[in-house]
Amino acid sequence: KNEVEQSPQNLTAQEGEFITINCSYSVGISALHWLQQHPGGGIVSLFMLSSGKKKHGRLIATINIQEKHSSLHITASHPRDSAVYICAVSGSGGGADGLTFGKGTHLIIQP
Amino acid sequence: KAGVTQTPRYLIKTRGQQVTLSCSPISGHRSVSWYQQTPGQGLQFLFEYFSETQRNKGNFPGRFSGRQFSNSRSEMNVSTLELGDSALYLCASSFSSYNSPLHFGNGTRLTVT
Repeated sequence: KNEVEQSPQNLTAQEGEFITINCSYSVGISALHWLQQHPGGGIVSLFMLSSGKKKHGRLIATINIQEKHSSLHITASHPRDSAVYICAVSGSGGGADGLTFGKGTHLIIQP
Repeated sequence: KAGVTQTPRYLIKTRGQQVTLSCSPISGHRSVSWYQQTPGQGLQFLFEYFSETQRNKGNFPGRFSGRQFSNSRSEMNVSTLELGDSALYLCASSFSSYNSPLHFGNGTRLTVT
């Protein structure tokens, strides 16, 4: 069973700061997802990665398969980025073994 | 394109009752997966359906079951409800599997009293 660890658990930063959230997993995977959850429960998928790096607006996600580690970066952070960010991985069995989730990172961006 | 629709949004049930939750995926998506979210355990995978077949199941008791219809709509059922089943239940659809982007519904918040 894959173990997924996220750090930090909580992060408070000032508007404009560069944010990094980390995710490590214990077993080889076929894909890693970064998710964003706002108060109220709705979850939005930010990225799905199996290698390399992806960028969408101010968000950048990277993954190092050899080191079993991924990072989510937010540049020029804004109060609307305040949310819980969750890392989830699917196993190397072709995705047929479900998703394993990290506990999430609670991010607060203060104006 | 309509998003993933979950009904109902809120539900209050009594211990021992059963409940059925519904999930309508994005048109063209054949994979529907279900998740339970609680403050203590976070998000946990329940099961995934693809083309009406359950492909995988998480570590939940047999009281939790589901099915998928030919139009890809899915239902999950929880029988003999327990207080600990109170949670936010989310479904997600994707084109093929977890190796394609997931689209989540807004969830059904179930309270068991």
